[in-house]
Amino acid sequence: ETGVTQTPRHLVMGMTNKKSLKCEQHLGHNAMYWYKQSAKKPLELMFVYSLEERVENNSVPSRFSPECPNSSHLFLHLHTLQPEDSALYLCASSQDRQGYKQYFGPGTRLTVT
Amino acid sequence: AQTVTQSQPEMSVQEAETVTLSCTYDTSESDYYLFWYKQPPSRQMILVIRQEAYKQQNATENRFSVNFQKAAKSFSLKISDSQLGDAAMYFCAYRSGPNSGGGADGLTFGKGTHLIIQP
Repeated sequence: ETGVTQTPRHLVMGMTNKKSLKCEQHLGHNAMYWYKQSAKKPLELMFVYSLEERVENNSVPSRFSPECPNSSHLFLHLHTLQPEDSALYLCASSQDRQGYKQYFGPGTRLTVT
Repeated sequence: AQTVTQSQPEMSVQEAETVTLSCTYDTSESDYYLFWYKQPPSRQMILVIRQEAYKQQNATENRFSVNFQKAAKSFSLKISDSQLGDAAMYFCAYRSGPNSGGGADGLTFGKGTHLIIQP
């Protein structure tokens, strides 16, 4: 399924680097999400955007900065990360905030050295 | 806050047999959805089946069915005639419904169950 794409698929960065993760959905959806999947922990919701406005921020550290320039694109800007931030970052979209079905991208595997 | 618990880190089943994955959840809401997602090694999270809390009938999708016990807050997934392609991580997830009074938009996941299919 290519409805939601994420780039890059793999990223290795140092703690002082600045990088960005990109998510694009081709489904005409209005809501987009960032999740973090760490080893041996449940997926954690990070951010929710609806019609390009952030509607939820689950107490995520400020070193993660989301951006949603339009309803098709979602970015996660990273700076001054810690090794414990190494994880799989998943993007998802749904028709709207009430849409029960979320479509996920393949994720970006992030390693912080 | 809602929580989702999957007590089986790993399950193994013979090909063509039936396996049941367990999930329990905790919520004070009356309007919600429950889901099972599959995550194969490719990492793409795929929706397997969903259940609306207001529906008493258990959801079924081909070889996949659920046993939804609302009072017990239990939501198990049964996979019949297991196939090699069913091997994956399976996640149980919860989402507040539109009438839940401002609940979270995103999904709350369990830790997952790793399903192994023995040929």
